[in-house]
Amino acid sequence: DIVMTQSPDSLAVSLGERATIKCKSSQSVLSSSQNKNYLTWYQQKPGQPPKLLIYWASTRGSGVPDRFSGSGSGTDFTLTISSLQAEDVAVYYCQQHFSNPRTFGQGTKLEI
Amino acid sequence: QEQLVESGGGLVKPGGSLRLSCAASGMPFRDYYMTWIRQAPGKGLEWVSHISDGSTASYYADSVKGRFTISRDDAKKSLHLQMNRLKVEDTAVYYCVRWRPFGMDVWGQGATVTVSS
Repeated sequence: DIVMTQSPDSLAVSLGERATIKCKSSQSVLSSSQNKNYLTWYQQKPGQPPKLLIYWASTRGSGVPDRFSGSGSGTDFTLTISSLQAEDVAVYYCQQHFSNPRTFGQGTKLEI
Repeated sequence: QEQLVESGGGLVKPGGSLRLSCAASGMPFRDYYMTWIRQAPGKGLEWVSHISDGSTASYYADSVKGRFTISRDDAKKSLHLQMNRLKVEDTAVYYCVRWRPFGMDVWGQGATVTVSS
């Protein structure tokens, strides 16, 4: 199984400041044939199901504000929120779609 | 709009059975892989099972293999998870989720399963 490890486990950032969350996979999730990283980021607010934020490591999902961005390739990935808003308080998960089982990171709790 | 609604959750004793259902609307259900994801209280997300379009393939996490069975009825636009020999550690919110090659883009609100004596 591919192990996904996020850092940090929790993070406190001031409003308007930048938030950065890391995700590392135990093996590469880059498909050489398709040149795509099978890495997705989700946001889960309290009491709600997760929401897809970023896919293919760097493509924003439908309706996702442009302050959210994803980067990285192979085994190391980053989710960045450029200017934190109050509504961004949530737990963020990365997930690999490269192979079964489609494992998740343990989650990063983002607070203000 | 595209929607998934789970039902069938509840309280069951260890060793018991429960069947979760998920009703899809607003989407061509038969065209998509579907998955079940669960989240234990205060914990992270766990991939449980998925089924391909046409029911030609399915996958189970090791933690549920041999006890859970995923199925779908495309005519009724529904997804099911038959859970047998339930354990306390199966206690979780179970989400029905549409799976695309790039990720999981439509989530239900979840059904709560509690396994306790």
